[in-house]
Amino acid sequence: GAVVSQHPSWVICKSGTSVKIECRSLDFQATTMFWYRQFPKQSLMLMATSNEGSKATYEQGVEKDKFLINHASLTLSTLTVTSAHPEDSSFYICSARGGQGTSPLHFGNGTRLTVT
Amino acid sequence: GQNIDQPTEMTATEGAIVQINCTYQTSGFNGLFWYQQHAGEAPTFLSYNVLDGLEEKGRFSSFLSRSKGYSYLLLKELQMKDSASYLCAPQDSNYQLIWGAGTKLIIKP
Repeated sequence: GAVVSQHPSWVICKSGTSVKIECRSLDFQATTMFWYRQFPKQSLMLMATSNEGSKATYEQGVEKDKFLINHASLTLSTLTVTSAHPEDSSFYICSARGGQGTSPLHFGNGTRLTVT
Repeated sequence: GQNIDQPTEMTATEGAIVQINCTYQTSGFNGLFWYQQHAGEAPTFLSYNVLDGLEEKGRFSSFLSRSKGYSYLLLKELQMKDSASYLCAPQDSNYQLIWGAGTKLIIKP
């Protein structure tokens, strides 16, 4: 089945620094990947849709200059949280489909970001 | 608008059966997914329904009624490891999944 790998699984950084999270599709090509954020006991919030070879599409309220997304190949998308602040501490999860719109989203294992 | 309604929390006994209901409203509809999410982990895919009726997959079954905007997930022979949140996620006309907060299922011995 479709496998999505996400790295790192957790990271602690100081306020003001930047953090890069990688998302890879291991056994399929993904022209589109999705980045989510989840706060404790809340629903998944779609942040942006990452499109291979073009600009990401950000959801309303998500700052594109703060959350930089690069989808340089069909198997890799990266999310960089720039100038992180404590309120950016959250669980970030990427996902991708192994097929068309009726195929399920497969999720990476998520990245727990803590900004001190 | 688009919304999902699921119970916030349910409790069941090991070995029993539990049904988690979900009602939804979406702009267009392209099927409905159920995911399981253990605390601190990412969601994992359980089932997909696009036509009315019951889909059975081992101990888990999922039902869909498009006309009623209703789905349920049925879990049989409950095991302690089934303690998790269960997310009902319908897909809208743009094939975007709509997420609610899910149902936290607690299994007691």
